Amino acid sequence: AQSVTQLGSHVSVSEGALVLLRCNYSSSVPPYLFWYVQYPNQGLQLLLKYTSAATLVKGINGFEAEFKKSETSFHLTKPSAHMSDAAEYFCAVGGLGYIPTFGRGTSLIVHP
Amino acid sequence: NAGVTQTPKFQVLKTGQSMTLQCAQDMNHNSMYWYRQDPGMGLRLIYYSASEGTTDKGEVPNGYNVSRLNKREFSLRLESAAPSQTSVYFCASSKQGQDTQYFGPGTRLTVL
Repeated sequence: AQSVTQLGSHVSVSEGALVLLRCNYSSSVPPYLFWYVQYPNQGLQLLLKYTSAATLVKGINGFEAEFKKSETSFHLTKPSAHMSDAAEYFCAVGGLGYIPTFGRGTSLIVHP
Repeated sequence: NAGVTQTPKFQVLKTGQSMTLQCAQDMNHNSMYWYRQDPGMGLRLIYYSASEGTTDKGEVPNGYNVSRLNKREFSLRLESAAPSQTSVYFCASSKQGQDTQYFGPGTRLTVL
């Protein structure tokens, strides 16, 4: 069984501030972990993914995430928020032979 | 490449009406999925098709049917629409079940 918890349905930051979106997972197999982004009125697109290689994963648009097995976490960070980062972010957990399960999403609000 | 395409983009139905949502992908992917997205609920899997010729229920299959017409196309049918089926529906595809999913732009369905 797999599940994912995204802490905080909304996160608000100022432009230029650190972005931290939290994701904790549960998995009965070695996990594959994903972060997707959804801009208004669009489908989801992949930001980055972890599939058992390097624990620090770099993605598009300056985002990165670190796999911490001991904490069962895969938090998403970006050093400096831009207005264009305002979107819905989804964490997902899967594994070899398993379809990913998605979290409920976190809405990132960026203030000027 | 068009990626994943969905039709229609918008639809309004009356309770009891039927309709089919169409999805096609041009990436030669084996697996295809139908999700619904509701506020605060994230993405919930309705049905999926691991490969051509197979379909399986997801988390919320009641009230829906699917057809994997060929490797490219995967349709979702609502036989008798209900207001609880008002949602945004996304189709997605992936090379295999555990791989990155590519999403269509969505269909916004309202059932009155």
